Amino acid sequence: GAGVSQSPRYKVAKRGQDVALRCDPISGHVSLFWYQQALGQGPEFLTYFQNEAQLDKSGLPSDRFFAERPEGSVSTLKIQRTQQEDSAVYLCASSLEEASTDTQYFGPGTRLTVL
Amino acid sequence: AQSVAQPEDQVNVAEGNPLTVKCTYSVSGNPYLFWYVQYPNRGLQFLLKYITGDNLVKGSYGFEAEFNKSQTSFHLKKPSALVSDSALYFCAVRVDYNTDKLIFGTGTRLQVFP
Repeated sequence: GAGVSQSPRYKVAKRGQDVALRCDPISGHVSLFWYQQALGQGPEFLTYFQNEAQLDKSGLPSDRFFAERPEGSVSTLKIQRTQQEDSAVYLCASSLEEASTDTQYFGPGTRLTVL
Repeated sequence: AQSVAQPEDQVNVAEGNPLTVKCTYSVSGNPYLFWYVQYPNRGLQFLLKYITGDNLVKGSYGFEAEFNKSQTSFHLKKPSALVSDSALYFCAVRVDYNTDKLIFGTGTRLQVFP
């Protein structure tokens, strides 16, 4: 498939553990986004990359959240010392260009449950 | 601050009848508006977008939406609903300066009854 892929699809962590969530964007897409979707809510923006540059990280809820995209393709969202309030679906999206008019295409998400 | 409102948590419609899912927005610049659909345990699927031009936008699966600047609305419509249209629908807005992030509404669950 040529869509955005994410792994793992489901992750259960004990409180205090570190987790890493992976996103493979559509090949050739310049822009990559991470969103957090709590149960019963709409997705909320976390961070944005243009190639390897992280241009906006204003949505990251705390310094426990860290994202990278070192080669401008695959991205990893890392959460350190997970807390129960981190339980959510983490969505990754990519778009071809940098323009605001471009469509973001979403992956299936990673459902994180922190016990 | 930019925001999107979807005033209905759930919309119920009989199969074959027209459907409308409402969305209003509040932005300080020119809005770029999007509709996405989410099926259980799946990501968001793009339906359509308004950037500029014709206020009536046609999208995937027979859906369309009308941009109304005076009412700051972007309602999603379909002339004849299908049971398979039952899903969660999200309206989103992006403004045309500095940020490419989407601001989403809280979603509307569409239930189409046979």
